[in-house]
Amino acid sequence: GDSVTQMEGPVTLSEEAFLTINCTYTATGYPSLFWYVQYPGEGLQLLLKATKADDKGSNKGFEATYRKETTSFHLEKGSVQVSDSAVYFCALRNTGTASKLTFGTGTRLQVTL
Amino acid sequence: EAQVTQNPRYLITVTGKKLTVTCSQNMNHEYMSWYRQDPGLGLRQIYYSMNVEVTDKGDVPEGYKVSRKEKRNFPLILESPSPNQTSLYFCASSLGGPGNQPQHFGDGTRLSIL
Repeated sequence: GDSVTQMEGPVTLSEEAFLTINCTYTATGYPSLFWYVQYPGEGLQLLLKATKADDKGSNKGFEATYRKETTSFHLEKGSVQVSDSAVYFCALRNTGTASKLTFGTGTRLQVTL
Repeated sequence: EAQVTQNPRYLITVTGKKLTVTCSQNMNHEYMSWYRQDPGLGLRQIYYSMNVEVTDKGDVPEGYKVSRKEKRNFPLILESPSPNQTSLYFCASSLGGPGNQPQHFGDGTRLSIL
């Protein structure tokens, strides 16, 4: 079945550091890929998405490129802020499963001054 | 304001005492879903509904029931809760299926079953 693997956290960075959170997936067909963010005490919010190979999703300074050859969708940001501290979830929706998203286990990011 | 509202936000209860977690959305969304979030497991789908009176099982439906009598409401029912249902629960909705449109999530309900 479909699955998403994320790097384990927590990831601790100083403000203005470069961020990479790795995400790889296993799926048949041509899934759409997503990054969701969960701030403390809140539900998840869509951060960005990509629907086909080589697409780049971007939002709020975050980027991720859909790499079909490596089945990856790594999240990057050039300069993190304390306000980026949250849990980040990678997810996919496969073409044959219109009814669900498959989530990774989440990666906690902590940014310090 | 567009939102998904869950109640209660926190609940501590005992094994076997029936409980209902309500979920309501004000965006006229067709699709609604329940997830549970557990450490090391991420979010797993419990049940979903594509529209009124249409519900189906997700990945972990055992021990749960849902209903969708109205478009805006999608309650999650635990008929006989057990300690392994202690978890953080999220309701979500979207205009179409979860990949076509962004999912809007509630703020979560933390259940503790003693």
